[in-house]
Amino acid sequence: QKEVEQNSGPLSVPEGAIASLNCTYSDRGSQSFFWYRQYSGKSPELIMFIYSNGDKEDGRFTAQLNKASQYVSLLIRDSQPSDSATYLCAVYNFNKFYFGSGTKLNVKP
Amino acid sequence: EAQVTQNPRYLITVTGKKLTVTCSQNMNHEYMSWYRQDPGLGLRQIYYSMNVEVTDKGDVPEGYKVSRKEKRNFPLILESPSPNQTSLYFCASSSHRGEGYTFGSGTRLTVV
Repeated sequence: QKEVEQNSGPLSVPEGAIASLNCTYSDRGSQSFFWYRQYSGKSPELIMFIYSNGDKEDGRFTAQLNKASQYVSLLIRDSQPSDSATYLCAVYNFNKFYFGSGTKLNVKP
Repeated sequence: EAQVTQNPRYLITVTGKKLTVTCSQNMNHEYMSWYRQDPGLGLRQIYYSMNVEVTDKGDVPEGYKVSRKEKRNFPLILESPSPNQTSLYFCASSSHRGEGYTFGSGTRLTVV
């Protein structure tokens, strides 16, 4: 079983819609949770991190963490074509970061 | 500008010819790490370092070496590269354990 699981997609949403990206993790002791955006051929860029249960909002992005169910999600409101990228979920646990394989998001104009 | 600098960006080499990929960060970060990214496999950690002279294996360390003699530098060494090490490599750093990474621009390595 992988440490971090994500649906590979692609997830297609129309411009202006809400994109919902999900991630599950296997280790209940995981401490910190991150979302990265990666454009094709580029390096991952940190967009959100969350440590506590609940929601965390930053502009159009909202990260949600549910430790009891071991899932993390990222909501992107008012999706734009420039949001089209692969979104990587990452989990920090005992000195190591574990990354999911990423979900490819396509935002259609 | 705060950044992680990797060199080279692209490298084509032959099997068995030793190579080093350099990584340097200017943010005084303690934690540094190397990843490889392959289609369908995502990012896999090769080695990480929590501070100077402190390194440890990640999930796929075979065929790689690292050193951390200075805080800012964390080179990745392939003593005898093989074609299965053809990949996209990223160096990353963070200020301390549990905080998000800043990634370098990546090194695309091809071993023929």
